[in-house]
Amino acid sequence: EAQVTQNPRYLITVTGKKLTVTCSQNMNHEYMSWYRQDPGLGLRQIYYSMNVEVTDKGDVPEGYKVSRKEKRNFPLILESPSPNQTSLYFCASSLSPGPLHFGNGTRLTVT
Amino acid sequence: SQKIEQNSEALNIQEGKTATLTCNYTNYSPAYLQWYRQDPGRGPVFLLLIRENEKEKRKERLKVTFDTTLKQSLFHITASQPADSATYLCALPRDSGYSTLTFGKGTMLLVSP
Repeated sequence: EAQVTQNPRYLITVTGKKLTVTCSQNMNHEYMSWYRQDPGLGLRQIYYSMNVEVTDKGDVPEGYKVSRKEKRNFPLILESPSPNQTSLYFCASSLSPGPLHFGNGTRLTVT
Repeated sequence: SQKIEQNSEALNIQEGKTATLTCNYTNYSPAYLQWYRQDPGRGPVFLLLIRENEKEKRKERLKVTFDTTLKQSLFHITASQPADSATYLCALPRDSGYSTLTFGKGTMLLVSP
């Protein structure tokens, strides 16, 4: 089944403790992206990647890192999480900037 | 970069009626525009893509129009059903380089029996 898989679905952590949210797609898509979604602010793009070893900042990249060493994986790294990074995170992929396939989301709480 | 406006207030309609949602953009005219459906706590699901040279696109009970003069897209659901209740998002290329998508904040649709 074609899908984008994010893990974990839920995560509670403390300020400053490094964490990684994984994202994997099985559709051989070149393009992958991370969004965060907050009430009243909608979906905002954090980082995106047009292909392996090519990443670029979205609208809200501060406090996040990404890597794209393989086509299928695009992990999101929070080196030192802060409470303002509490949010619902979505990974998405597509063949090219076009119809996006989204994962089921990761709900992160930073205390 | 592109700025997108969707009605922030929920749209309440009765089952069987046609729902019409609006997406306005303010900057350059995009090469295409997309609509997504999102259920609470779930990832958005792609519905339709319409290109700048297409005035209208249909898929089953869904219809999208694209008016580049008005800088507006309308999304219609005919014969609406309670199962259509969700938030609907429009999305456009972030800039003229087609590099990535930016999303509107979405409009919640509530269809009552």
